[in-house]
Amino acid sequence: DQQVKQNSPSLSVQEGRISILNCDYTNSMFDYFLWYKKYPAEGPTFLISISSIKDKNEDGRFTVFLNKSAKHLSLHIVPSQPGDSAVYFCAASEGAGNNRKLIWGLGTSLAVNP
Amino acid sequence: EAQVTQNPRYLITVTGKKLTVTCSQNMNHEYMSWYRQDPGLGLRQIYYSMNVEVTDKGDVPEGYKVSRKEKRNFPLILESPSPNQTSLYFCASSFQTPGGPYYEQYFGPGTRLTVT
Repeated sequence: DQQVKQNSPSLSVQEGRISILNCDYTNSMFDYFLWYKKYPAEGPTFLISISSIKDKNEDGRFTVFLNKSAKHLSLHIVPSQPGDSAVYFCAASEGAGNNRKLIWGLGTSLAVNP
Repeated sequence: EAQVTQNPRYLITVTGKKLTVTCSQNMNHEYMSWYRQDPGLGLRQIYYSMNVEVTDKGDVPEGYKVSRKEKRNFPLILESPSPNQTSLYFCASSFQTPGGPYYEQYFGPGTRLTVT
């Protein structure tokens, strides 16, 4: 059973508008969340992360929001640019020390149209 | 340039023919890991290594071997490949801290393996 769910396989947004990518999780022990971006024929690249002690983290055009009570996080991209077109993976981490594990969602493919 | 390299990028092989996928990083990272990505299953960890000569199983280690003789290299070995190992493979690396590996990992470009 998927512990990290990205329920929208794809999303299409107009350039300049906001992109909102969603991620739900089931394990309340997750304490660190990350977003990765992946272009075709490349490996994933780290984008932004958030600790469970925070509810928001911002880095330029990218903001991640965490709602622990709803077990939900979202990635906001404002303004969206055509170069943002990629697959976005949500990942969550739990465990202590060297036993930490990273659980991945299946990804959401974002298309930003000029 | 900081990078993780994998070779080969594409490989078609037959059942039972041993193969090795190489992975190398130039960032002096302690932690290295192998993942496979399959449709509907996402990224799953095969093996990981905390440092030289320290390796451990991930979630799907069956049918794979790894070694970490040098800090920069972490090859993935399939002794007797089978069709269910057809997948997209990624190597990743990061620094290690007392609290565990950083999950802000650097990924290689991937190796597309087909076993017939």
